[in-house]
Order: sequence, then C-alpha cells, then structure tokens
Amino acid sequence: DAGITQSPRYKITETGRQVTLMCHQTWSHSYMFWYRQDLGHGLRLIYYSAAADITDKGEVPDGYVVSRSKTENFPLTLESATRSQTSVYFCASTQGLVDTEAFFGQGTRLTVV
Amino acid sequence: AQKITQTQPGMFVQEKEAVTLDCTYDTSDQSYGLFWYKQPSSGEMIFLIYQGSYDEQNATEGRYSLNFQKARKSANLVISASQLGDSAMYFCAIVGVYGNNRLAFGKGNQVVVIP
Repeated sequence: DAGITQSPRYKITETGRQVTLMCHQTWSHSYMFWYRQDLGHGLRLIYYSAAADITDKGEVPDGYVVSRSKTENFPLTLESATRSQTSVYFCASTQGLVDTEAFFGQGTRLTVV
Repeated sequence: AQKITQTQPGMFVQEKEAVTLDCTYDTSDQSYGLFWYKQPSSGEMIFLIYQGSYDEQNATEGRYSLNFQKARKSANLVISASQLGDSAMYFCAIVGVYGNNRLAFGKGNQVVVIP
C-alpha cells in the first residue's frame, strides 16, 4: 500500500534502553521529518532529512539519533531512553517542501517507564 | 530559523458559524510556504490548506480559507459554516526554501464545535 507507515504504533520501554522507531514511505519523497508531540508544545522537530545520507538537527535533537541510508526509510533511535522522552512521535515526508504538503504517519506512542 | 506563534486559548464555536484561527510567523526566507493541518481526537494529521509567500491571492479550499497578510506576517485560517466534525486541534506550519528546510509547527489551536 502506498503511504507512510510508522512502527510500532505503541511501545513501552524502560529507562536506559535503546529503542528504534521506524518510518517507511513508498513515494520516494526527498524530505522526511521526525516530530514529537507533547501537550502544550505542539509538534517539535527532532531531526529532518533532505535526501538519503543527508540529515540535520531540528529543535530538540538531544538524545536522538537518525539515519537515512535509503530514501524510503528514516528510523529514529533513542540511544538511552529517559522518562522525558515519553511522547507521541510523528514521521512525515514531502517531495516539494514549500509548495507541497507533508504527509504524516499514524504516530507512535512511546512510554518510558 | 522559522517560527510559528499560535496563542489563542481553546475556542468554542456554534455549529454553522465561522471561526478564525490566528497564526503569526517569523522567517528569514524570502520564499516560503504556509500550511494548516487539522488533528482530530483520533490523532492523525490532516492537511487542510497551503499558501505560498509569492501567491497574491488568498488560498481557498472548500470551507477553509487562508487570510494571508504578508506585511503583518499573519496567516489566519478561516473555517466557514462550522460542523461538529471540525472539532479538533489546528496547527499552522511554515517551511522556507533557501535558508532553512525545517518544517516548523506552532503549538496549535483547540476548537470545539457545539450544536
């Protein structure tokens, strides 16, 4: 199916563990983004990528790592999860940036205990 | 860097009435795009409307229109004839072309439509 999918949809992990959130899109969009959504903060950009092997930090990158070896995949890794990283994470992709809307995954609800 | 400001408190709107959601922005880019997204309680992000910085006419998409005032750096969303299904969070977003490719969002406006 065409689209952008995130996995898992729900994840509970323990403090200090490494966890990877997956994002896959089928359109070969150039740009991909990771956001976290917390009450009162809207969507805050964690990392983004303009193309394969090109990534850059967003507003709140600390504690996160990304990679983009293939255009269609943009995994987000929490190297050592903390309770403050409990959040809903959204992945998005777009081809045209300024003149084309971004398409969002369904979100991953991550709880760090 | 891009910045979006949405400061309105939660809003209650009577069904069939119009509602305006405020959005102001700041950017160093000369060319940029402005977007509005809707997030219902189910959580998905739904694209509503787009305005390019060089578009002279305000964007319109069905019941949604964007009141774009470039000099004031304002991009307000107007929803006409509100429906119960319009109850949601609404996010304004901006992305620039040259200086910064970050798609930045505001904190959102909560709208509740009452019958």
